Amino acid sequence: NAGVTQTPKFRVLKTGQSMTLLCAQDMNHEYMYWYRQDPGMGLRLIHYSVGEGTTAKGEVPDGYNVSRLKKQNFLLGLESAAPSQTSVYFCASSFTLGPNTEAFFGQGTRLTVV
Amino acid sequence: EDKVVQSPLSLVVHEGDTVTLNCSYEVTNFRSLLWYKQEKKAPTFLFMLTSSGIEKKSGRLSSILDKKELFSILNITATQTGDSAVYLCAVGGAAGKSTFGDGTTLTVKP
Repeated sequence: NAGVTQTPKFRVLKTGQSMTLLCAQDMNHEYMYWYRQDPGMGLRLIHYSVGEGTTAKGEVPDGYNVSRLKKQNFLLGLESAAPSQTSVYFCASSFTLGPNTEAFFGQGTRLTVV
Repeated sequence: EDKVVQSPLSLVVHEGDTVTLNCSYEVTNFRSLLWYKQEKKAPTFLFMLTSSGIEKKSGRLSSILDKKELFSILNITATQTGDSAVYLCAVGGAAGKSTFGDGTTLTVKP
């Protein structure tokens, strides 16, 4: 059972470079989320999607863009990476919006911006 | 602004001890509270609570919600080294957005 798969698992970027993180889920979930987690802190919501073709801003959306062209995929883009975006990024999916039911998380992407 | 506060931030106990983790919240239009366990990587779901006073149990873990006082507790009895992890509390509020606490880091020593 694949569940939620994130790629890549690790990445080092130079300041100003761009990249896209891919999240794929095979559970036919409507709702998908991107979070970042910094040391000693919980998860902060960057963007989320309530279905194919829709996206919405979360708690910390600045510097990120997202797209949900297919139901199973949710992409997170960094157009011009900054050191402040060094973090661990988690993608999650669920049947309904927010934690009204459990969210299933990917294994995370550790991003370092130098 | 929605807020979720977990305490303590960290806790060190010995195997066999019982621990209680706390989560208090201020959230607009509360919908549910969830507990997750995070070991090395991804958080994994433990409990979802929506009603006050109804205890959820899973083995040695249990949790309860108090919607009047705006908090939840997670109890772990007879702790084992495998319980060592970060325990995250998340609360769903207005517009379906979720807010996570900073987590409690539990270390269980043999």
